[in-house]
Amino acid sequence: EVILTQSPATLSLSPGERATLSCRASQSISNYLAWYQQKPGQAPRLLIYDTSNRATGIPARFSGSGSGTDFTLTISSLEPEDFAVYYCHQRTNWPLTFGGGTKVEIK
Amino acid sequence: EVQLVESGGGLVQPGGSLRLSCAASGFTFSSYTMSWVRQALGKGLEWISFISSSGDDIYYTDSVKGRFTISRDNAKNSLYLQMNSLRDEDTAVYYCASGIPGVNPFDYWGQGTLVTVSS
Repeated sequence: EVILTQSPATLSLSPGERATLSCRASQSISNYLAWYQQKPGQAPRLLIYDTSNRATGIPARFSGSGSGTDFTLTISSLEPEDFAVYYCHQRTNWPLTFGGGTKVEIK
Repeated sequence: EVQLVESGGGLVQPGGSLRLSCAASGFTFSSYTMSWVRQALGKGLEWISFISSSGDDIYYTDSVKGRFTISRDNAKNSLYLQMNSLRDEDTAVYYCASGIPGVNPFDYWGQGTLVTVSS
């Protein structure tokens, strides 16, 4: 099973600041890494798939990078609606797995 | 507009059964893979089952193998999850999610249905 470790667990930032979220895989997953955003009481929403491809309707301030075992989600300038929990996910191997999440909170 | 609507959740005793449904609309259901993902209260996401667009390929996470069965009816644009021998640890919100074959399996998500296993 591929273990995904997200860091930090919590990120305290102010609107307008840059957010950098990390996801590390226990083995190489090529570029099959996706990112999701989840707000309280809502379903997750796909942001990025296959490391760096933005999903439909996702603003350009969200970007993804990485390969192999180390991946990053960057939010270039935080908007008030970006404060949420972010999960990474891999689809290279069964079982499909998610990271434990990073909460981006308002400082 | 893509819509996924789960139903069938509720309170069930340990050892009991429940059948979840997911009604899909706004896209060609028979062309998409479908999955179930669950989330215990205050916890992270856990994938539990996947079914290919045709229904020929099915996968489960180990913790539900032999207890849960995923199925789909492409004529009815519907996905199902039959859950048997339920345990306390199966308590969670269950989401259905659709995906493009060969690409990401969780493009769109429903709003979820709560399953509570308790005596």
